[in-house]
Amino acid sequence: EDQVTQSPEALRLQEGESSSLNCSYTVSGLRGLFWYRQDPGKGPEFLFTLYSAGEEKEKERLKATLTKKESFLHITAPKPEDSATYLCAVQARVSDSGYALNFGKGTSLLVTP
Amino acid sequence: EAGVTQFPSHSVIEKGQTVTLRCDPISGHDNLYWYRRVMGKEIKFLLHFVKESKQDESGMPNNRFLAERTGGTYSTLKVQPAELEDSGVYFCASSQDRGQRFSGNTIYFGEGSWLTVV
Repeated sequence: EDQVTQSPEALRLQEGESSSLNCSYTVSGLRGLFWYRQDPGKGPEFLFTLYSAGEEKEKERLKATLTKKESFLHITAPKPEDSATYLCAVQARVSDSGYALNFGKGTSLLVTP
Repeated sequence: EAGVTQFPSHSVIEKGQTVTLRCDPISGHDNLYWYRRVMGKEIKFLLHFVKESKQDESGMPNNRFLAERTGGTYSTLKVQPAELEDSGVYFCASSQDRGQRFSGNTIYFGEGSWLTVV
């Protein structure tokens, strides 16, 4: 069964203090690994899709990387507005012709001034 | 362009009552998904529509849940009768593409319907 484990569950950083979030996955044939950002009371907002080991994507202060077993979301010099829950998901087959996202529990990030 | 719209945003009902959640996907999106997050757990897939057809409903927890998408536009998710464990956030998502390797960036989520069963 496909599994996605995120760590840490919660992370508190000071503004400017860089760090990384981890997403470990077990999937029979990776079809895509996705990072979403979720603000309180909102739905998940897409950030990145990674498809193969070695792939990297960047967006502002965020950089996502992928290996065969895990993905990292690196946050460089974070700002308070980066505070949110970051969700990792893998693309999983749910039927002969259908796919859906299999989510981890998320990492709750708090960046203080 | 309007995003995925869900209604109601919050609902509090008593155990045994019925609740119907509605989702309006982005116009033109054939694919519509329902997901759910219960307290302390991860977001879980419930079912997938392609237009008006149920592509997969393997994530539906039991027969108290009924989803419909008449005409291939909006969708409803009915819980009848509601139980305490049904409390959580129900997300709807839609996308235009579907294939062997769809892109997560084509899947747009609504803000969710928060259901509390007391």
